[in-house]
Amino acid sequence: QVHLVQSGAEVKKPGASVKVSCKTSGYTFTSYAMHWLRQAPGQRLEWMGWINPGAGHTYYSKKFLGRVTITRDTSATAAFMELTSLSSEDTAVYYCAATGDYSYFDHWGQGTLVTVSS
Amino acid sequence: QSVLTQPSSASGTPGQRVTISCSGSSSNIGDNYVYWYQVLPGTAPKLLIYNNNQRPSGVPDRFSGSKSGTSASLAISGLRSEDEADYQCAAWDDSVTGPVLGTGTKVTVL
Repeated sequence: QVHLVQSGAEVKKPGASVKVSCKTSGYTFTSYAMHWLRQAPGQRLEWMGWINPGAGHTYYSKKFLGRVTITRDTSATAAFMELTSLSSEDTAVYYCAATGDYSYFDHWGQGTLVTVSS
Repeated sequence: QSVLTQPSSASGTPGQRVTISCSGSSSNIGDNYVYWYQVLPGTAPKLLIYNNNQRPSGVPDRFSGSKSGTSASLAISGLRSEDEADYQCAAWDDSVTGPVLGTGTKVTVL
């Protein structure tokens, strides 16, 4: 059974960075893409970027290019998303989502609330 | 930034049929499969439709999807109170080498 477990909630000050982890189990980590998305309060779900865990190649949404970095640790079967230069507009629940047999976002982490506040 | 356009809201009474549209371009919907997700507050999104019109096991056949050209639709027939949620479409976009998501539609059951 596929499981994605994310790191806990974070509170950050404006200008800081945050790094969210996503620990996986139950499948071959390097065989399926890992995406990162977020949902701000009252807003739609937004796609941020994805990584090919096997090759390590990354692709980012233009909106977050330059501020987001997605990495992986294949030995730990985990993916990471770091977002820099945080502002209040980055307050959101951040999700990792693994591609599966049906779609880009078949399997989801439980979400990590990142609050940016002075 | 690429985005798929959806109406902001849709509504119906129990038992009615509601249709949600999703408009894109040749680089996304026109050339790739469309997916639909149900988004409820505080929970991870749920896949409703994949490959334009296929339902994963466990999704009621009240949900159906279709695609024509650069647009797609999700239909919910026999509307139920538990269908009250946000719905977002998604499709791969060749110009960004990644998926693009819809603007989201909030469905209200009157």
